[in-house]
Amino acid sequence: GEDVEQSLFLSVREGDSSVINCTYTDSSSTYLYWYKQEPGAGLQLLTYIFSNMDMKQDQRLTVLLNKKDKHLSLRIADTQTGDSAIYFCAESINSGNTGKLIFGQGTTLQVKP
Amino acid sequence: ETGVTQTPRHLVMGMTNKKSLKCEQHLGHNAMYWYKQSAKKPLELMFVYSLEERVENNSVPSRFSPECPNSSHLFLHLHTLQPEDSALYLCASSQELAFEQFFGPGTRLTVL
Repeated sequence: GEDVEQSLFLSVREGDSSVINCTYTDSSSTYLYWYKQEPGAGLQLLTYIFSNMDMKQDQRLTVLLNKKDKHLSLRIADTQTGDSAIYFCAESINSGNTGKLIFGQGTTLQVKP
Repeated sequence: ETGVTQTPRHLVMGMTNKKSLKCEQHLGHNAMYWYKQSAKKPLELMFVYSLEERVENNSVPSRFSPECPNSSHLFLHLHTLQPEDSALYLCASSQELAFEQFFGPGTRLTVL
């Protein structure tokens, strides 16, 4: 079946690195995404990785993909209080002539000053 | 700004009211989505439209009725709602199905 799992909560100190993990089940996913949701707002696309890549770096963000284990992670370097939010991973599913994104339940990141 | 707008941002309604949520995308996308986000629950996909045709309806109660008059606009018509329908309703759009989705800010709905 289609399932994306994330841990629910992560707490770090300002300046430390944060690592948010995600596992997915569909091995045919072409793209995997990370979204950020701040309080009272919609989801904002942070970054994505194509399924034939192992790593993608974008400023303070590093995405690692282990396709064999179906494991995706998002590392935030030098975490700031403004990074406090809910982070969702999502996998794209293509089925015949249709497709959709499957979202995880979200990881709440708390950054302590 | 993601290019997806939603109105109203906040809505309080009684169980006997009829109201509509509106979503507009300025990105030239072909697919649009309605999600429900309740506290302590995963994001729930409600409806998917591709090229103005509904392609997915995830067992949503008939008191929620979507409408997609063109590829830029999506509505969610609400009638006879229940208090458990109180949630953040998010609209999203994507170039094609299974591509990255861009979300609006959501409508916070409270049903009294």
